[in-house]
Amino acid sequence: GAVVSQHPSRVICKSGTSVKIECRSLDFQATTMFWYRQFPKQSLMLMATSNEGSKATYEQGVEKDKFLINHASLTLSTLTVTSAHPEDSSFYICSARDPLSGLTSDTQYFGPGTRLTVL
Amino acid sequence: KQEVTQIPAALSVPEGENLVLNCSFTDSAIYNLQWFRQDPGKGLTSLLLIQSSQREQTSGRLNASLDKSSGRSTLYIAASQPGDSATYLCAVDGGGYGNKLVFGAGTILRVKS
Repeated sequence: GAVVSQHPSRVICKSGTSVKIECRSLDFQATTMFWYRQFPKQSLMLMATSNEGSKATYEQGVEKDKFLINHASLTLSTLTVTSAHPEDSSFYICSARDPLSGLTSDTQYFGPGTRLTVL
Repeated sequence: KQEVTQIPAALSVPEGENLVLNCSFTDSAIYNLQWFRQDPGKGLTSLLLIQSSQREQTSGRLNASLDKSSGRSTLYIAASQPGDSATYLCAVDGGGYGNKLVFGAGTILRVKS
C-alpha cells in the first residue's frame, strides 16, 4: 500500500520556539492531506485539511495563526507550531489521500506520527 | 455533529479468547466506517472498512459488522493473541467535501499470554 512518512518522529523544544513537522507521501501524489492531534488516551481530533496550492481549512477551535499549514507540493505538507507552549505537547499525525484511488476515505494513508514535547 | 463512542475503554483477556469491541455513532448518515489499530506511540493501521451499504467485512481472525440504522458497529477478534494487544479505533466518514473521519476514543486491548 501507499506510504506516508513524517519527520521528525519525536521533537523536544523550549517554550516559545516554533517547530515544523513534515508529512510526505512517498509513492503517490496527494492533493489532500489531513492533520490530526492526539492527546494521551484520547482520540484523534482533526485539526485541518490541507489542499495542495490553496489555503488549509481549519476545524472549529483550531488557531490558524498558531498552527501554520503549507501544502506546497503534491507530496509534502508541513505543520508549523508557532510559539509552542507546554499545552501544545501532543502526538501529531498526518494522513494523505491518493486521488487516483477515488474520493473516499478508504484511500487515506496515515503517517507514523510525531511526538511533540514542549518544555 | 457526529460523535463516536467506543466501549469498553479498556479490555484485558487471556490468550485464545474471542472478544468483541463496540463502536456507536450518533448520526447514521455515514459513508463508511473503518476500524484501525494503533500501537503505542505509532500511527494507524487500517484493519477493515465497511461501506454504508455493507453489513460486514472479514479479514483473517477479524470480523467487523455494521448496523447503520442503529448506529452501531462491532469488531470481533477470534482466538486472540498477545500480538493483538493495541488500541483499536473506529472512525466514521460522513462523506461530503473532504471526507473527514470522526474517531472514537479507542479501546485499549491487552491479551495476556
